[in-house]
Amino acid sequence: GEDVEQSLFLSVREGDSSVINCTYTDSSSTYLYWYKQEPGAGLQLLTYIFSNMDMKQDQRLTVLLNKKDKHLSLRIADTQTGDSAIYFCAEAPGGYQKVTFGTGTKLQVIP
Amino acid sequence: EAGVAQSPRYKIIEKRQSVAFWCNPISGHATLYWYQQILGQGPKLLIQFQNNGVVDDSQLPKDRFSAERLKGVDSTLKIQPAKLEDSAVYLCASSSTGTGNIETQYFGPGTRLLVL
Repeated sequence: GEDVEQSLFLSVREGDSSVINCTYTDSSSTYLYWYKQEPGAGLQLLTYIFSNMDMKQDQRLTVLLNKKDKHLSLRIADTQTGDSAIYFCAEAPGGYQKVTFGTGTKLQVIP
Repeated sequence: EAGVAQSPRYKIIEKRQSVAFWCNPISGHATLYWYQQILGQGPKLLIQFQNNGVVDDSQLPKDRFSAERLKGVDSTLKIQPAKLEDSAVYLCASSSTGTGNIETQYFGPGTRLLVL
């Protein structure tokens, strides 16, 4: 079955870059997502990438996909205190098919 | 545009009691999801509705959990009777199917359930 794994915690200084990593097992994954969850709030879709892409950049966010190793990463440039949250990667075999979420990485930004 | 609304925000009950959660999706969204998020884990899909029909309920513990979406709009999720391991945040999400080849799910703030 599907399994999506992430490291539990990451701490960075304000202004540095953050890199959050994720590995998945389902080779049929077509859509890969990054969600952000702030305390007491629901999940917010940050960005996504299709499996036929290697990289996607969206302002301060850069997503890298290594399909061979089933490894996905999210880089946040110039990390701010407002970026402190839990980040979930997720995958789905199709655009409207079941999304499987990872365990989440808690990002702590130190001022 | 109003977001996904959920109530109550918090609920504390004793084991073996019943509880119900309510979700109002974004207007016009045909697809509605209920997720269970246990502390320290990612959300796990419990049930997915397309309008008022069930698309996927493979991970719903049907002996104690039930959900309905009458008239294809609001939805309720019920647990009867509750167990200690049901303590979690219950997230509702909705999406507008057919607006492109990528599905964006919009999440509500969740209902935090504590079973004592």
